[in-house]
Amino acid sequence: QLVLTQSPSASASLGASVKLTCTLNSGHSSYAIAWHQQQPEKGPRYLMKLNSDGSHSKGDGIPDRFSGSSSGAERYLTISSLQSEDEADYYCQTWGTGIQVFGGGTKLTVL
Amino acid sequence: EVQLLEFGGGLVQPGGSLRLSCAASGFTFSSYAMTWVRQAPGKGLEWVSAISGSGGSTYYADSVRSRFTISRDNSKNTLYLQMTSLRAEDTAIYYCAKLDSDNQAFVYWGQGTLVTVSS
Repeated sequence: QLVLTQSPSASASLGASVKLTCTLNSGHSSYAIAWHQQQPEKGPRYLMKLNSDGSHSKGDGIPDRFSGSSSGAERYLTISSLQSEDEADYYCQTWGTGIQVFGGGTKLTVL
Repeated sequence: EVQLLEFGGGLVQPGGSLRLSCAASGFTFSSYAMTWVRQAPGKGLEWVSAISGSGGSTYYADSVRSRFTISRDNSKNTLYLQMTSLRAEDTAIYYCAKLDSDNQAFVYWGQGTLVTVSS
């Protein structure tokens, strides 16, 4: 069974950096994932696709402040120079044969 | 510019049926797999169903299998979700999304349509 685990919440100060984590369960550590952002009262927005080697491809118009990296079964989303509009829910997503899976999401608060 | 516009949501009684539509533009619709994702009030994202570009392959989450049917009309650039035997727990905002060329990541999302199942 394919499972993604995210911390429910995170916080960081305006102008600082934050690193969000998405963890793949045992047996799936080589899987790629995608990161999505959902601002309050809006639909999700695709940020990037992140491979196990840390290479990533971002969606249209995604600022350079957003980057991805990987280590083992962990996939990271780093947001630098935090802005107020970065306050949002962040979801990771992965896929298998005939199935798609989301993590539970991390609510990011910008202080 | 890729645009996805969902419609067809509304209030329906338990046990009832509803059909959602997603009108797509800005890309060659028939070349891409499409998917439906839902979000219950105050909850996270839940994958519902996906369909290949040709419509020949369909996939469902266990929670909706045998009750929901995904389909597409490539001549109309439209994706559908036929929902039957609706339950209170199906109440959610339903989003359609376009998959990438590898049929993996959801690279464009619609704005969603709200389905409320209640008597």
